[in-house]
Amino acid sequence: QKEVEQDPGPLSVPEGAIVSLNCTYSNSAFQYFMWYRQYSRKGPELLMYTYSSGNKEDGRFTAQVDKSSKYISLFIRDSQPSDSATYLCAMRPNAGGTSYGKLTFGQGTILTVHP
Amino acid sequence: ETGVTQTPRHLVMGMTNKKSLKCEQHLGHNAMYWYKQSAKKPLELMFVYNFKEQTENNSVPSRFSPECPNSSHLFLHLHTLQPEDSALYLCASSPGGGETQYFGPGTRLLVL
Repeated sequence: QKEVEQDPGPLSVPEGAIVSLNCTYSNSAFQYFMWYRQYSRKGPELLMYTYSSGNKEDGRFTAQVDKSSKYISLFIRDSQPSDSATYLCAMRPNAGGTSYGKLTFGQGTILTVHP
Repeated sequence: ETGVTQTPRHLVMGMTNKKSLKCEQHLGHNAMYWYKQSAKKPLELMFVYNFKEQTENNSVPSRFSPECPNSSHLFLHLHTLQPEDSALYLCASSPGGGETQYFGPGTRLLVL
């Protein structure tokens, strides 16, 4: 079993739709959760960063973490064609020590928002 | 230049060649990373450097040799690579703690 599972899609939605992207994980030690967006031929770009459980909102983006279910989500409201990209979830245990900088990534979900 | 830059952006090399990838970060971060991104696979962490010291080698074959002369520069020296090493090689940097990593655009490597 992979430590982080993410449906690779592809996911295709019409402009204006609400998009839900998800990851599940098996390591209960994960405490930090991130979402990255990667456009074609570019490096990943950090979108959202949350610590432990709860919700975090930034504009049209909302990140949710449910540690009891080992499940994280990214919601995109009023999706735009410019949101078309690959979305990667990433996570890691507590900061410092031997886990310093060791992010575990999901495979990424390819999203297309069509006009 | 801002953020994290990588050169070259594209590289084609034979299995007997020696080449180097370069990464530079302009963010004042103390940690730098090399990742490998292959099609249909998650990002694989290769090496971590914190304050120029290597803190992680994720069982990477010795044909990949990293070098970190200072906190702003990171190199990946390549020699006698295999075709399965063809991938996008990404460099990243982070401030203390390592959670929020900032990526460069990557070097697309093709090994013939």
